[in-house]
Amino acid sequence: QVQLQQSGAELVKPGSSVKLSCKASGYTFTDYAMKWVKQRTGQGLEWIGVIDPEIDATAYNEKFKGKATLTADTSSNTAYMELSRLTSEDSAVYYCTREGGDYWGQGVMVTVSS
Amino acid sequence: DVVLTQTPVSLSVTLGDQASISCRSSQSLEYSDGYTYLEWYLQKPGQSPQLLIYGVSNRFSGVPDRFIGSGSGTDFTLKISRVEPEDLGVYYCFQATHDPHTFGSGTKLEIK
Repeated sequence: QVQLQQSGAELVKPGSSVKLSCKASGYTFTDYAMKWVKQRTGQGLEWIGVIDPEIDATAYNEKFKGKATLTADTSSNTAYMELSRLTSEDSAVYYCTREGGDYWGQGVMVTVSS
Repeated sequence: DVVLTQTPVSLSVTLGDQASISCRSSQSLEYSDGYTYLEWYLQKPGQSPQLLIYGVSNRFSGVPDRFIGSGSGTDFTLKISRVEPEDLGVYYCFQATHDPHTFGSGTKLEIK
């Protein structure tokens, strides 16, 4: 069965970076793009961007350019999102979701605090 | 960016009754290929969002036929007939026609 397993919760300091992972299983990793979505506590959902692992192509929401960097490792079927220059505005739950939105990771909470 | 306006913001429904959620887009969501990339998601408390409807009216695998999506262009509706306890949560519409892809602000469904 399709599963997207995300890495664990992160507590990080302002100004630092964090790299989140999303390991895919149960399907051919390169057959589907992977999207990332942000949700601040009690808030709605924001589309961050998408990566096509087959051709290593990315597309970003302009709002997250320079903040998020999406990569993928086809040898381990894992998608990554690195968030840089973290501020309190980046504290949120981040989800990976397969293109089409049919499968989602469990989400990872990132807390930015000194 | 395309703005998706969902109404109502919240909805309190008696079990067994129908619920209706509107999603209006600031631009037509019909893509040049003729497909309309409009989806509906339900986020139950403490869970990841789950896909209900794709392509305006297609139910995802395992979604009960009580969930009906309709609409075209800029106006879309999700109807839930015979609301059940497991339907509570926040419903989001989502468009993937225009970049950046965007979500509606959500509609919270509560059970009376």
